[in-house]
Amino acid sequence: ETGVTQSPTHLIKTRGQQVTLRCSSQSGHNTVSWYQQALGQGPQFIFQYYREEENGRGNFPPRFSGLQFPNYSSELNVNALELDDSALYLCASGRTSGASRETQYFGPGTRLLVL
Amino acid sequence: DQQVKQNSPSLSVQEGRISILNCDYTNSMFDYFLWYKKYPAEGPTFLISISSIKDKNEDGRFTVFLNKSAKHLSLHIVPSQPGDSAVYFCAARGGGSNYKLTFGKGTLLTVNP
Repeated sequence: ETGVTQSPTHLIKTRGQQVTLRCSSQSGHNTVSWYQQALGQGPQFIFQYYREEENGRGNFPPRFSGLQFPNYSSELNVNALELDDSALYLCASGRTSGASRETQYFGPGTRLLVL
Repeated sequence: DQQVKQNSPSLSVQEGRISILNCDYTNSMFDYFLWYKKYPAEGPTFLISISSIKDKNEDGRFTVFLNKSAKHLSLHIVPSQPGDSAVYFCAARGGGSNYKLTFGKGTLLTVNP
């Protein structure tokens, strides 16, 4: 069973640019969530995808968007980058079946630096 | 408004002794609680969880206790080992269909040989 993988591991962008981060979910998982972890903070929920649709969103502006693909891989897109977007971006996958919700497993993260 | 709080930024213990990490929450709708361990340059690793209908869950050296009336949970590690040195995050999940986890800020545990 493969784990959650993310790419790239590190990224440097300048303010105003756009970025796409990628995640490959763990085998057998059908949900994916994205989190932002700023320095010294816990991860903050951005949004969750299930069956290729957004299924919950945290307190992040619309310039944060995502996609989930039929193979359960996922992308996080951030437009008009701001300096405060510099953070570790974590992807987490899990499996839900009806009312059953299982533990989420995290990838290693992508560290984004916005200059 | 921080709904999950870990009030101790750091904790240092001797190898072989007990490590106790604490977590408080404010949202009574949380129905599932998890502990994650994070090493530098890695993503959080799931450690142990507990449902709100239980007050204790044990897995090897790790035990999580939940006190719903006090909205408090704790993670006990016995005996502590140097390899346990990491940042520990407490996370809570609300009732409903989505997977949103609300995290505390973490506690850095250092286990000294």
